[in-house]
Amino acid sequence: GQNIDQPTEMTATEGAIVQINCTYQTSGFNGLFWYQQHAGEAPTFLSYNVLDGLEEKGRFSSFLSRSKGYSYLLLKELQMKDSASYLCASGAGSYQLTFGKGTKLSVIP
Amino acid sequence: NAGVTQTPKFRILKIGQSMTLQCTQDMNHNYMYWYRQDPGMGLKLIYYSVGAGITDKGEVPNGYNVSRSTTEDFPLRLELAAPSQTSVYFCASTETTYEQYFGPGTRLTVT
Repeated sequence: GQNIDQPTEMTATEGAIVQINCTYQTSGFNGLFWYQQHAGEAPTFLSYNVLDGLEEKGRFSSFLSRSKGYSYLLLKELQMKDSASYLCASGAGSYQLTFGKGTKLSVIP
Repeated sequence: NAGVTQTPKFRILKIGQSMTLQCTQDMNHNYMYWYRQDPGMGLKLIYYSVGAGITDKGEVPNGYNVSRSTTEDFPLRLELAAPSQTSVYFCASTETTYEQYFGPGTRLTVT
């Protein structure tokens, strides 16, 4: 089975750094994935980790520890447009994704 | 490339009615998925397909049916709509990666 937990809501200040944590318990792990979803819109792919460590992609970085069942998404130099929900997902066979409930991030001036 | 398109964008159904949500992708992707998203909840997989003629159940398939006669199209059928099926429905596709491309969604209300 799959169980993914992440905080429901977070608030951060424009220009700051925010870390969104995700813990997971899955059988058959094929990677950990992060999607961004603005209100009223479809999710879009942000980043993924298959091996332990940090993956950097511009202002966004994602970290994975498979032994701890833990991942985080790090957003630097926050901008107002980063206000969105961030969905953590684990990968399974046939490229299926199991999503957490998402973390709603509000960026304030 | 239009990517993944879904129709309709909005729909209101009465209890017991049926409808088909359309999903089309023009990227020649073999893998396609249907999700539902309830307020404050993550995406739940309803059905998926690994290629034309092949479909399989996801986490929440009850009350839904799918077919995949072509690579491009993956319609979702709701029979005997119930209020519990009020949700936003997303279709997605991919080709051998976990980077799924999502359509804009269909907002369905059953009253």
